[in-house]
Amino acid sequence: EIVLTQSPGTLSLSPGERATLSCRASQSVRFNFLAWYQQTPGQAPRLLIYGASSRATGIPDRFSGSGSGTDFTLTISRLEPEDFAVYYCQQYGSSPRTFGQGTKVESK
Amino acid sequence: QVQLQESGPGLVKPSQTLSLTCTVSGGSISSGGYYWTWIRQHPGKGLEWIGYIYYSGSADYNPSLKSRVTLSVDTSKNQFSLKLTSVTAADTAVYYCAREPAPWGQGTLVTVSS
Repeated sequence: EIVLTQSPGTLSLSPGERATLSCRASQSVRFNFLAWYQQTPGQAPRLLIYGASSRATGIPDRFSGSGSGTDFTLTISRLEPEDFAVYYCQQYGSSPRTFGQGTKVESK
Repeated sequence: QVQLQESGPGLVKPSQTLSLTCTVSGGSISSGGYYWTWIRQHPGKGLEWIGYIYYSGSADYNPSLKSRVTLSVDTSKNQFSLKLTSVTAADTAVYYCAREPAPWGQGTLVTVSS
């Protein structure tokens, strides 16, 4: 089983700042099948990035994903008020699928 | 576009079987190419993958739940289903169905309580 470790656990930033979230895998993610999701309270997770770096439909270009193998990054170039949320990474290249524990981006 | 909707009882008694169905609209499960997935989220916690099923019926499960989980698919109804046996309070969670990696359903809260 691939263990995904997200860091930091919490990121305290102000609107307009840049957010950099990390997701590290215990072994290489097959095909770089790594997704990033955003979850706000009471809502289902929303897909932001798939295949490590492809933006999902309708996702603003301030969200970008990068990385390969075992190290992946989600970058939010300039935080908007609606971006304060919890972010999860997930690998879907091998079974069992696994999620990171999440990074909370909170307003400073 | 494809949409998914979970349905089933919101309250299940301990030791009983939790049964949920996911209805897919805007696309056909039998068109292939996707894994149809169940994920759950315990209150205030992270996401846990339960398993997936392909339109052919082949499935894979989280090893931690494998002994209690069965997924099935009904292509004639464009639905797939989850059964989780011998539930306890630890199975209380929001259950999501999804087409991997998206879209997801809105989720349904299932509480295990007598």
